Amino acid sequence: DAGVTQSPTHLIKTRGQHVTLRCSPISGHKSVSWYQQVLGQGPQFIFQYYEKEERGRGNFPDRFSARQFPNYSSELNVNALLLGDSALYLCASSFQGHYEQYFGPGTRLTVT
Amino acid sequence: QQQVKQSPQSLIVQKGGISIINCAYENTAFDYFPWYQQFPGKGPALLIAIRPDVSEKKEGRFTISFNKSAKQFSLHIMDSQPGDSATYFCAAEGGSQGNLIFGKGTKLSVKP
Repeated sequence: DAGVTQSPTHLIKTRGQHVTLRCSPISGHKSVSWYQQVLGQGPQFIFQYYEKEERGRGNFPDRFSARQFPNYSSELNVNALLLGDSALYLCASSFQGHYEQYFGPGTRLTVT
Repeated sequence: QQQVKQSPQSLIVQKGGISIINCAYENTAFDYFPWYQQFPGKGPALLIAIRPDVSEKKEGRFTISFNKSAKQFSLHIMDSQPGDSATYFCAAEGGSQGNLIFGKGTKLSVKP
């Protein structure tokens, strides 16, 4: 069975631009969570979606938004990119949004 | 405010030795404590997890010890191997959102 998939793998953007990251959860999983991992730190929670509804939001500015589609895949959007947004963006999949969460390989975003 | 404190920041162990990583938490609402293993350029992989009604859980060479009264839990890697060299993160979850709170990570190096 395929695990969590994310695209693209790497991305380079310029300050002020917009970016869209994509995630497909494990088959049968209905919840997707997004995390930001800055180099040398643990992942920080951004959003969680369950059954296409936002269940939780971390301490991130409104420039960050997300949505979940009927097939349970998800998009993370970041507007007006800042240099500090450079990080590994991780998507995690779980059956009901609690407990066992399985991470994808991440998207490495570099903002110049 | 860091809700999960992890130590040490880095650890060097000889092949065959025992690696021990410790975590402490503050929020008594946490009810799920996983450990993740992350290799460079990869997403975190769920290694082992414990609920607070159990004091110890063992899976192969990996053991979690949990002390509810002290609000501490630890990961023990028995017979450590060079292939175990990675960054290990403890995490905690509790409440309605289902988001994971991560420690800052421990970089483990196992010397042959």
